[in-house]
Amino acid sequence: AQRVTQPEKLLSVFKGAPVELKCNYSYSGSPELFWYVQYSRQRLQLLLRHISRESIKGFTADLNKGETSFHLKKPFAQEEDSAMYYCALSTLLEYGNKLVFGAGTILRVKS
Amino acid sequence: NAGVTQTPKFQVLKTGQSMTLQCAQDMNHNSMYWYRQDPGMGLRLIYYSASEGTTDKGEVPNGYNVSRLNKREFSLRLESAAPSQTSVYFCASSDSKRTSGLYSEQYFGPGTRLTVT
Repeated sequence: AQRVTQPEKLLSVFKGAPVELKCNYSYSGSPELFWYVQYSRQRLQLLLRHISRESIKGFTADLNKGETSFHLKKPFAQEEDSAMYYCALSTLLEYGNKLVFGAGTILRVKS
Repeated sequence: NAGVTQTPKFQVLKTGQSMTLQCAQDMNHNSMYWYRQDPGMGLRLIYYSASEGTTDKGEVPNGYNVSRLNKREFSLRLESAAPSQTSVYFCASSDSKRTSGLYSEQYFGPGTRLTVT
């Protein structure tokens, strides 16, 4: 079964502290994983995807196939990082793909 | 470009009423999707349309119908609304072609907040 698990509903950290948002997945094929972010009163938008291996807004995420994880990390949290974060798994359809989302983690960065 | 637009932004219905949520995209994408967002459950796929003229059920299709009117527009209809359909509804679109072995990202609309009393 295709499943994405985000074990934390809420993660609260102080500004300047490291952040790690956990994501585990279950998928029999070769996974394509994403992190989407939803800031207050804004639409859901792509933050990063595993294949790009780039840092966006200081965030990175490494795909660990052995542990079936795709945790999102940032060394020093900023107040503007406060948002809802969703981990998502791309799964194949007959034509195209669809996304399976985790339940989401609210990140609150306190000053 | 406006990207993905949705109407209405807010709606309150009484149990048993019907309504249609509208979605349009101006990015010439082949695929369009309808998700619902509920606390603690993330986004769940209701229906999708891989290309113009085709629609398929997602994870939670019961109580909904869709129409892919043309390449730009994909509507979601609630024939007889129930309180369990109180949710935030998101439309999304993407290019279904693979580039460099990857599917393109999905672009989301601003959402429709629906309350059924």
